[in-house]
Amino acid sequence: SQQGEEDPQALSIQEGENATMNCSYKTSINNLQWYRQNSGRGLVHLILIRSNEREKHSGRLRVTLDTSKKSSSLLITASRAADTASYFCATGQDAGGTSYGKLTFGQGTILTVHP
Amino acid sequence: EAQVTQNPRYLITVTGKKLTVTCSQNMNHEYMSWYRQDPGLGLRQIYYSMNVEVTDKGDVPEGYKVSRKEKRNFPLILESPSPNQTSLYFCASSGALWRGTQYFGPGTRLTVL
Repeated sequence: SQQGEEDPQALSIQEGENATMNCSYKTSINNLQWYRQNSGRGLVHLILIRSNEREKHSGRLRVTLDTSKKSSSLLITASRAADTASYFCATGQDAGGTSYGKLTFGQGTILTVHP
Repeated sequence: EAQVTQNPRYLITVTGKKLTVTCSQNMNHEYMSWYRQDPGLGLRQIYYSMNVEVTDKGDVPEGYKVSRKEKRNFPLILESPSPNQTSLYFCASSGALWRGTQYFGPGTRLTVL
């Protein structure tokens, strides 16, 4: 199975509500990144959290990382209709591993925010 | 404007006809990578390059070739395309992998008949 797996696969909420997406992974990582993709377009980088960090904020985004559970969560607060998109986590392999340089994406969470 | 460009954006071809998808970045980035995106499978890394003349396999390299002769270009070559390579392809670049921000191209939608 894939290194990064998001949960839920789809999330539908009303504008103003918070959206939480989770990502689990299997091997040691150097960092974990979250990306956003609007339908059929290229991905846009949202935030990176390093393996020695536990929480990071950027505007309405909050990312947490729990390396003991090999999981991360992305929280979007006060969501807007414009936040409607697919969200992916991606894990970068540990520098000591043989796969250094590989970046593995999960299958994504489709977020729909209704006006 | 900092960007990653891919050409062509759309391509319909037939089984066995060699094709190349070009990728170019104007940010002097060391790291470049190719991904394919399929419904229900997310993005899967095909090949990546840490610098000029340094390339390595990602998760799904079979049926693809790459080269990195110049820093700015990272073409993806399908020497004998097959229908299972029908997909949406993305190129991405980064100043250094662990600085994090990967810049993605607009995508190439490939159909192999």
